[in-house]
Amino acid sequence: DAGVTQSPTHLIKTRGQQVTLRCSPKSGHDTVSWYQQALGQGPQFIFQYYEEEERQRGNFPDRFSGHQFPNYSSELNVNALLLGDSALYLCASRPGQNMKTQYFGPGTRLLVL
Amino acid sequence: AQSVTQLGSHVSVSEGALVLLRCNYSSSVPPYLFWYVQYPNQGLQLLLKYTSAATLVKGINGFEAEFKKSETSFHLTKPSAHMSDAAEYFCAVSDLGGNKLVFGAGTILRVKS
Repeated sequence: DAGVTQSPTHLIKTRGQQVTLRCSPKSGHDTVSWYQQALGQGPQFIFQYYEEEERQRGNFPDRFSGHQFPNYSSELNVNALLLGDSALYLCASRPGQNMKTQYFGPGTRLLVL
Repeated sequence: AQSVTQLGSHVSVSEGALVLLRCNYSSSVPPYLFWYVQYPNQGLQLLLKYTSAATLVKGINGFEAEFKKSETSFHLTKPSAHMSDAAEYFCAVSDLGGNKLVFGAGTILRVKS
């Protein structure tokens, strides 16, 4: 049983560009959350998707957007990249809205130059 | 708003010694509390969770944590450290819906031989 998978593993972009990160949840999971982990810090909640809708959002600007597909996979899009967007982006999934435990993927490390 | 404070950004113990990683939380509602471990260049792995059942929670790899409401604490312990325990540990609290995890800044555990 595959866990949460993310692609790509690493990415280098320049300021002003746009990036799309992808996540496939663990089998049987329908709720996906995204977190940003800057170097030396704990992860910060970006947003959560359930039934293809954004259900809750953290304190991130509109440059951060997402999507969830009918097969529960998800994308995180970041527009107009800033140097400060360099971080590890983690995807987490869980089986339904009432389940508290989230399972994390290995992350995508984004470097913005 | 919920928050987590992890006391000590770095903890160093000898192999075989007691591991104690401190976590204090702030929450206006009964919290759900988690400890995750992150090995270098990897995602987060769930160690254990408190979801209002037993106050002493046992997790994987010999770790356990005790929920103390009066002290708003959820410290992580392991009786005997192993070299493989060297990693970064994150304490997290979730809201009632479990939608959003709020993480502490993390504690890096070093195990000396």
